[in-house]
Amino acid sequence: EAGVVQSPRYKIIEKKQPVAFWCNPISGHNTLYWYLQNLGQGPELLIRYENEEAVDDSQLPKDRFSAERLKGVDSTLKIQPAELGDSAVYLCASSQRTGGVETQYFGPGTRLLVL
Amino acid sequence: DQQVKQNSPSLSVQEGRISILNCDYTNSMFDYFLWYKKYPAEGPTFLISISSIKDKNEDGRFTVFLNKSAKHLSLHIVPSQPGDSAVYFCAASAPGSWGKLQFGAGTQVVVTP
Repeated sequence: EAGVVQSPRYKIIEKKQPVAFWCNPISGHNTLYWYLQNLGQGPELLIRYENEEAVDDSQLPKDRFSAERLKGVDSTLKIQPAELGDSAVYLCASSQRTGGVETQYFGPGTRLLVL
Repeated sequence: DQQVKQNSPSLSVQEGRISILNCDYTNSMFDYFLWYKKYPAEGPTFLISISSIKDKNEDGRFTVFLNKSAKHLSLHIVPSQPGDSAVYFCAASAPGSWGKLQFGAGTQVVVTP
């Protein structure tokens, strides 16, 4: 079974430029998450989708970040404009509730460097 | 506000010995706990989990212990192998949080031959 797919794996941009990350979750997983991971820290949730609905976007900086999951499968996370402090790893995860518990499976992440 | 804490940033253990990773939490509402393992340039990989109704869960060489009164959990790896060298993250979620995971900062484990 294929895991969570993310692209690109690496991205280098100049500040004030836009950038977009793409995620394809595990087949059949209705729930999709975007996380931000800074160096030396654990992942922090940005947004969670149930199918195409964003059910928790309270941690998403909406002035510059946006996300979409049109058709409830693939998702795109966008930053416009990027700032130096956005340099981090952006992780996508998906999950499916089984037996009352929900385990999240992560993709390899996109490492962003803003110059 | 860091609700999940891994106070040991690193751990070095000899191959064949036991690795013990610790995790403390402050939110008494957490009812589901997970450990993830992360290799460089890869995403975190699910390792093992435990529900708050249990105090122990075992899967092969990996055992997680939960002490709810102390708000503490630990991961035991026995015996440790070189392939276990990775960063280990503790994570927790509370009911009604839409599955939102709170992660610790991670512990780097190095298993030496």
